[in-house]
Amino acid sequence: GQQVMQIPQYQHVQEGEDFTTYCNSSTTLSNIQWYKQRPGGHPVFLIQLVKSGEVKKQKRLTFQFGEAKKNSSLHITATQTTDVGTYFCEIGNTGKLIFGQGTTLQVKP
Amino acid sequence: GAGVSQSPRYKVAKRGQDVALRCDPISGHVSLFWYQQALGQGPEFLTYFQNEAQLDKSGLPSDRFFAERPEGSVSTLKIQRTQQEDSAVYLCASRTGASYNEQFFGPGTRLTVL
Repeated sequence: GQQVMQIPQYQHVQEGEDFTTYCNSSTTLSNIQWYKQRPGGHPVFLIQLVKSGEVKKQKRLTFQFGEAKKNSSLHITATQTTDVGTYFCEIGNTGKLIFGQGTTLQVKP
Repeated sequence: GAGVSQSPRYKVAKRGQDVALRCDPISGHVSLFWYQQALGQGPEFLTYFQNEAQLDKSGLPSDRFFAERPEGSVSTLKIQRTQQEDSAVYLCASRTGASYNEQFFGPGTRLTVL
């Protein structure tokens, strides 16, 4: 079945530094979604990417979908302590949805 | 409006007990999902409903796990004869339609099996 690998598992940064997490699939994806889960909380939807090479921005967050639609990244510019949490990619459309293992971001003030 | 709610928020069970976890999705949401999230892991798909129909239950770990959504709204995940490895957070999510759009997650039920 479909699988998605997410790296790195953990990232510790100083406040103000940038952060990137990557998701990679061995198969071509129809779409990919990104979620954020704060410590003790539940996943919250951030964005969906559908088109090859798509780039979407939300303030300091930049989401990219690869040209081959097999990989995606989430980049945070100038991290803040409010960015702390675990970021997950998710693949699937109808039916079964599969989450990556997540990247946990710690930000040192 | 109200989001997805789950009850109980915390459940402690002795090994061998049966438990029932409830999910109230957002009103009118067609699709409902159950996930199991172990500590430090991503949510693992358990099962999926479209209205009252259970379209995919491939993620249920064993026949001790059973889910239902008889009227197409509230759903219950039942675990029989709980084992220690069942300890996890059980998340419910709903979305408006069958094809992909944003999933709205509930706060989860943390199950601890002693």
